[in-house]
Amino acid sequence: AQSVTQLDSQVPVFEEAPVELRCNYSSSVSVYLFWYVQYPNQGLQLLLKYLSGSTLVESINGFEAEFNKSQTSFHLRKPSVHISDTAEYFCAVSESWFGNEKLTFGTGTRLTIIP
Amino acid sequence: DTGVSQDPRHKITKRGQNVTFRCDPISEHNRLYWYRQTLGQGPEFLTYFQNEAQLEKSRLLSDRFSAERPKGSFSTLEIQRTEQGDSAMYLCASRDKGLAGGSSYNEQFFGPGTRLTVL
Repeated sequence: AQSVTQLDSQVPVFEEAPVELRCNYSSSVSVYLFWYVQYPNQGLQLLLKYLSGSTLVESINGFEAEFNKSQTSFHLRKPSVHISDTAEYFCAVSESWFGNEKLTFGTGTRLTIIP
Repeated sequence: DTGVSQDPRHKITKRGQNVTFRCDPISEHNRLYWYRQTLGQGPEFLTYFQNEAQLEKSRLLSDRFSAERPKGSFSTLEIQRTEQGDSAMYLCASRDKGLAGGSSYNEQFFGPGTRLTVL
């Protein structure tokens, strides 16, 4: 069965500082990995995803995540955060076998940017 | 508007009452999902449809919960005899069929959710 662990429930970071949000997953088969972001009072939005190929994936707003199979991790990073990055970030996994449609989410990390 | 829509956005009800939520997916998305998110937790999968067929149900979906997608377009989620433990955000998502390994595979688009409060 697939599962996701986000160890950090809250991460405060000063504006323009780098940040890393950690995500570890568990699965006995190949997986697809996702980061979703939830801004205050808004729905979940896909930030970036790993399906196959290059293990480093990037979003349009400067975030990147690297799939590390040996460490079963998919940490999210940004070299310099902005106030507008304040949001809750969810890591999600889906086993890549045919017919599996279920996304399993972590408990989320609340990123707070300090001016 | 081309996004997933949900109605109502908020629902307050008394314990024991029945409630029904509606989800309109993105046009031509043949897969539709329901998730539940409680405070401090990530979304938890409840069920999903491919067209009008309900293909998977989580053990979280007790006998009091029923979901339908009669014409393969919008979906409804009904909770009968609500309990205080049902208080949560109910999220709907949809996606197109894509191709396995293709760029759209399993990218689910989420609606804004319906927040249920059971008093």
